[in-house]
Amino acid sequence: NAGVTQTPKFRVLKTGQSMTLLCAQDMNHEYMYWYRQDPGMGLRLIHYSVGEGTTAKGEVPDGYNVSRLKKQNFLLGLESAAPSQTSVYFCASSYGAGKRVNSGANVLTFGAGSRLTVL
Amino acid sequence: GQNIDQPTEMTATEGAIVQINCTYQTSGFNGLFWYQQHAGEAPTFLSYNVLDGLEEKGRFSSFLSRSKGYSYLLLKELQMKDSASYLCAVRSSNSGYALNFGKGTSLLVTP
Repeated sequence: NAGVTQTPKFRVLKTGQSMTLLCAQDMNHEYMYWYRQDPGMGLRLIHYSVGEGTTAKGEVPDGYNVSRLKKQNFLLGLESAAPSQTSVYFCASSYGAGKRVNSGANVLTFGAGSRLTVL
Repeated sequence: GQNIDQPTEMTATEGAIVQINCTYQTSGFNGLFWYQQHAGEAPTFLSYNVLDGLEEKGRFSSFLSRSKGYSYLLLKELQMKDSASYLCAVRSSNSGYALNFGKGTSLLVTP
């Protein structure tokens, strides 16, 4: 049981290049999220998904696209990277709403993070 | 929208008790979470409150007052390994029940 796995862990891009971050979870979680974390800004929600085939915008969606073709995977894409997208990206997943927290079902479980630098 | 405030930095002595406060404003409140994050690592879950009152979990306790939009995390018998960032997060029924995080409180435990 690996939990939430993110690939790659590190990546350096040039401005204008594209890339995809992959998030995979093996906990049969329904909900998945992408956050970015910047110094002094805290974790900010980029996009989220409440189930296979569904995605929605979070607080800072511009410049990113996402897809959830399979329940266990949530992809974050940068079509044309910009230096402002230099950040640490965290994926998280949870069972969703309506579950008792004592079972751990309401808790967001985070991946280890992906550090992206755009030059 | 949501607004979450917590102190930026705190320092405490090994063996002491420290309280980290968090105030929030939100619509569709569905719970308040505390996470711990060591430098260079992912956030890890510490505690959760959805009803008013105190939740105790070993050396860590968390309190919630929904009417005041206020929570605190209490850490007892501080250890050096408790030096980390502590994130207050509010869960809302909006945005797919995502967590909205404060900017975090960096706690330094000194000998």
